Amino acid sequence: SQQGEEDPQALSIQEGENATMNCSYKTSINNLQWYRQNSGRGLVHLILIRSNEREKHSGRLRVTLDTSKKSSSLLITASRAADTASYFCATRRGSTLGRLYFGRGTQLTVWP
Amino acid sequence: DGGITQSPKYLFRKEGQNVTLSCEQNLNHDAMYWYRQDPGQGLRLIYYSQIVNDFQKGDIAEGYSVSREKKESFPLTVTSAQKNPTAFYLCASSSRGASGSGSDEQFFGPGTRLTVL
Repeated sequence: SQQGEEDPQALSIQEGENATMNCSYKTSINNLQWYRQNSGRGLVHLILIRSNEREKHSGRLRVTLDTSKKSSSLLITASRAADTASYFCATRRGSTLGRLYFGRGTQLTVWP
Repeated sequence: DGGITQSPKYLFRKEGQNVTLSCEQNLNHDAMYWYRQDPGQGLRLIYYSQIVNDFQKGDIAEGYSVSREKKESFPLTVTSAQKNPTAFYLCASSSRGASGSGSDEQFFGPGTRLTVL
């Protein structure tokens, strides 16, 4: 059972533009994480935001969390061709230790 | 060089055979996870372990088995009972184990692509 649903499923932009991906979830969470996956590789952790936080930044990444709407967004500013990858959100529910629930991902393509 | 390794990178299996995928970590993490990834379906949890000698079923455990005899190792066996095993398998670890302390951030291996012939 997957918890998160990313939107859009695919996003295609030019270098220099901003990319925004959204994630919605169904149950209350302890934290929400974003991961990146290059084609045929393992996932890499990008950022974690806790349920009591509303916004977090890391370099060109900005993540917001709205627990009332059960949604999060990931903004990548000034995109580069190297940002081309799949991006997944994952949630940890408050009642479950350790395990995460992943969404289906957004495939981002950045054209040079 | 700390990290999590998986082997082999590619694996071919004949129908009716069991195969074992290796996952090793030297991050001193308590928890380890196995995921299956099919195109368009994201990651689905097969099994996870939060402490040595203990593991729990995930969402799609049927046809798979695991063991956790050592902290560093969490091998996954794909049995002949798994009807459609062709997929990309990912192993991950995190420091948050059964004690509840540590981080939820998961570190992933490079994956094993299993193909049934």
